[in-house]
Amino acid sequence: GAVVSQHPSRVICKSGTSVKIECRSLDFQATTMFWYRQFPKQSLMLMATSNEGSKATYEQGVEKDKFLINHASLTLSTLTVTSAHPEDSSFYICSARDDWSPLHFGNGTRLTVT
Amino acid sequence: QKEVEQNSGPLSVPEGAIASLNCTYSDRVSQSFFWYRQYSGKSPELIMSIYSNGDKEDGRFTAQLNKASQYVSLLIRDSQPSDSATYLCAVEMRETSYDKVIFGPGTSLSVIP
Repeated sequence: GAVVSQHPSRVICKSGTSVKIECRSLDFQATTMFWYRQFPKQSLMLMATSNEGSKATYEQGVEKDKFLINHASLTLSTLTVTSAHPEDSSFYICSARDDWSPLHFGNGTRLTVT
Repeated sequence: QKEVEQNSGPLSVPEGAIASLNCTYSDRVSQSFFWYRQYSGKSPELIMSIYSNGDKEDGRFTAQLNKASQYVSLLIRDSQPSDSATYLCAVEMRETSYDKVIFGPGTSLSVIP
C-alpha cells in the first residue's frame, strides 16, 4: 500500500516553456502533499506544502508565481514550473501522507531545461 | 532557525559491522521522526518512523529517540553492501497553521565487502 505515482519521470524542455508534473496517491487519500527539490549531492529542500482544496504554503525563497501548485483532490497534486530556466534543472520529488503517517514518495521527475 | 543536522560522512564500515547514524534537530516540539534511505538517482524510501523516546527495532535496523537531547539515531546491524546509500533523517516540524517535514543533509554510508 501507500503508492505515490509521479509523472513524468524525466522531461527536457526549452528555456521559457512551462512544465507540469503530476503526483497521484494511488491507494490512499493524501490529506497533505509536499513538493521537494533536490540538486546533485544535496538533500531534499522543501518547496511547498499543500492540502486538498486550499492554497499551497510555500517555503521562504520559493517563488509561488513560478512554481504553481494545485492540490485539486485528495489523490492529485500538480506542480507547474512556469517559464523554466536552466537553473530550474533539478530533481523534483513529490510526497504524500494520510494524516500523521510517514511521507510516501513518488519516483521523482528529473527536469532538464536547455 | 529550525533545522536538522546529521553527522558528516562519508561513513565506511566493513560488511557485518554496525553502522551508526546520528541526527539532531532544533525544534523542541517535534513529535515525529523518520529515517529514509536514498540510492543515487532515486527517491527516498522509508526505513523507519519513531515517535516516542527509546528504541524501536525493525529487523537489522534500530532507531533511538531522545527528545530531551533532541537526538535521533539509526543503527544498522550486520551491515551489507546493499545498505550502501545516503541516509536521510527527517523531522516533522510544526508551523503556525501546518506541519512540514524537513530533511537533514544526509549521511553517505559505504559498506565495504
